[in-house]
Amino acid sequence: NAGVTQTPKFRVLKTGQSMTLLCAQDMNHEYMYWYRQDPGMGLRLIHYSVGEGTTAKGEVPDGYNVSRLKKQNFLLGLESAAPSQTSVYFCASSYEERSYNEQFFGPGTRLTVL
Amino acid sequence: DAKTTQPPSMDCAEGRAANLPCNHSTISGNEYVYWYRQIHSQGPQYIIHGLKNNETNEMASLIITEDRKSSTLILPHATLRDTAVYYCIVRVGPGGYNKLIFGAGTRLAVHP
Repeated sequence: NAGVTQTPKFRVLKTGQSMTLLCAQDMNHEYMYWYRQDPGMGLRLIHYSVGEGTTAKGEVPDGYNVSRLKKQNFLLGLESAAPSQTSVYFCASSYEERSYNEQFFGPGTRLTVL
Repeated sequence: DAKTTQPPSMDCAEGRAANLPCNHSTISGNEYVYWYRQIHSQGPQYIIHGLKNNETNEMASLIITEDRKSSTLILPHATLRDTAVYYCIVRVGPGGYNKLIFGAGTRLAVHP
């Protein structure tokens, strides 16, 4: 099992450019999440999904959109990148039924917006 | 979800036990205590969780006080690879959407 994978690992964008981050999991998890982590801070939830075809807003959703067309994939889009979106982005997934709903995290995508 | 308070940093000698404290004085009766850690530049990793009883797994032990207002994560024999930021998180447990609220955590440095 690969677990949770993220593509790309690194990206540099110019202000106003758009991009999509891909998260994939092979554990048949229902729930998937996108977080961002700024230097010296904990993770903050951007968007999440409780199943295929569903998405919901987290703590800091502005400037991002997401889609969950397939159960194993969760896409995070930036339509018009801003320097404030420079961050490390982590995807996570979890079971719905398990007793403690442990979240499994991907290795992260380091994004710089110039 | 209840807030947690952790020391910003701690040191530990390799091979010794690392005891990481966490205060969660406003915890509710149905809230669990979870611990995650984040090794430099990697995604967070689940360690352990508990409700009111002490818990142990292959990675660590979790001691929760009787009034549940504080807890301690114990790494019994710390190694250099345990150097990481440790997050104590309190939230409602099983079922449904579970939001993890990460604070600043405790930066544990294990030295030879």
